[in-house]
Amino acid sequence: DAGVTQSPTHLIKTRGQHVTLRCSPISGHKSVSWYQQVLGQGPQFIFQYYEKEERGRGNFPDRFSARQFPNYSSELNVNALLLGDSALYLCASSAPREQYFGPGTRLTVT
Amino acid sequence: DQQVKQNSPSLSVQEGRISILNCDYTNSMFDYFLWYKKYPAEGPTFLISISSIKDKNEDGRFTVFLNKSAKHLSLHIVPSQPGDSAVYFCAASDENGAYKYIFGTGTRLKVLA
Repeated sequence: DAGVTQSPTHLIKTRGQHVTLRCSPISGHKSVSWYQQVLGQGPQFIFQYYEKEERGRGNFPDRFSARQFPNYSSELNVNALLLGDSALYLCASSAPREQYFGPGTRLTVT
Repeated sequence: DQQVKQNSPSLSVQEGRISILNCDYTNSMFDYFLWYKKYPAEGPTFLISISSIKDKNEDGRFTVFLNKSAKHLSLHIVPSQPGDSAVYFCAASDENGAYKYIFGTGTRLKVLA
C-alpha cells in the first residue's frame, strides 16, 4: 500500500515565477494538508482540504493557493515566487487522529 | 506567538540509556498531540500520539507522557539506539486531531554509540 507521494522531489525556480506541487494521499484518506518547513523550524500549516473543500488556511499570503481533486489528490500553487519561499513543502494525508507526511518537495528560489 | 515550544534544540544520549524529549504548549484547547521523527531530506515520520483524556501512551520503546495541568508532554525512548538520531517534533491539535497541527521547532537527538 503506497504512502503519501509528492512530486517533484526537487525544484529550482526564479523569483517571480509560479510553481505547482502535487500530492497523492494514502488510499482511503480524504483529507490533505500542506505545510512549509524552513531550516531550523517546525512545519508551518498552510492549507487543509477535506472532501475537495478548503477546511482551513494558515497565515500565508494569497500567492499561495491549493485545490483537491475528486480522487483526493491535491495541488499547491505559489505565484510570484520570493526568495523566502525556499523551503521544504510537505503534504500530509489525514484521517481522524492520524496524519502521515510525504517525503516533501524541496523548492529553491534563486 | 509560539504555541508549541521545544526549548532544547539538541540532546545527546549514550546508546542504551533513556532519551527524554520535552514539549510545552500554551493553548489549553489543544486536545491531541503527536510526535514525529525526521531525518534530513525526508518527510516527518509519525511515532506516537496521545489524546488529552490520557496521561500516558506506550508503543514499544516509545512512551509519551502528558501533564495537562502543566501543559507539558514528553517523549521517552528506552533504550536509545544510534538509529534514533534524528530531529524530533511534537505537534498539537485543538480539534481532537481532525484539523491542523501546530508544530514545535524540534529537538535534534544524537545517540552516541
